[in-house]
Amino acid sequence: GAGVSQSPSNKVTEKGKDVELRCDPISGHTALYWYRQSLGQGLEFLIYFQGNSAPDKSGLPSDRFSAERTGGSVSTLTIQRTQQEDSAVYLCASSETGTYGYTFGSGTRLTVV
Amino acid sequence: AQKVTQAQTEISVVEKEDVTLDCVYETRDTTYYLFWYKQPPSGELVFLIRRNSFDEQNEISGRYSWNFQKSTSSFNFTITASQVVDSAVYFCALRTSSGSARQLTFGSGTQLTVLP
Repeated sequence: GAGVSQSPSNKVTEKGKDVELRCDPISGHTALYWYRQSLGQGLEFLIYFQGNSAPDKSGLPSDRFSAERTGGSVSTLTIQRTQQEDSAVYLCASSETGTYGYTFGSGTRLTVV
Repeated sequence: AQKVTQAQTEISVVEKEDVTLDCVYETRDTTYYLFWYKQPPSGELVFLIRRNSFDEQNEISGRYSWNFQKSTSSFNFTITASQVVDSAVYFCALRTSSGSARQLTFGSGTQLTVLP
């Protein structure tokens, strides 16, 4: 597609439930990133995928968070046993290899009640 | 470690005023990239500019201009003759060339409100 697509745009879940957030990057972009933006906060790096290399998971806040990228394209961020502090906007971005331009999606607003 | 500081949490101006958003960064790397992004109420981050550490030329794009000064580790952003549509959160970000992950380190953002 023309831009980075994220779904759902909004998600309300009960504490303790698992959620899956989806990111569809720009076609041809080999790098994909997940960031988290909590209310009134800046953007916190979560995970980075580059081609077939092992992902950099150094930003994941706990082992309840995981992400995968299938076929070098679509990525899913999974949060298990959600907690209220997980409430945030989760942003996905993609970029071409060798360049430093990042295109962000509109994000998924996650609310844990 | 790298760090980006945007000391101005909120700025409010009246339409047609000029406004400067400050950004100060820290890095030990000699090669790095600086970015500005705009986040309107819709939530999507809109790329505005990228500048590499070897290019200290100031840049102007319409009503936007950027002043990069390595001596003070600053990359300030000025909007001339501001408009209501400029109201948004503006983020400054830094990416170094070292490290295994090419992630951007963001500042905490500046909320700009332009009043009619």
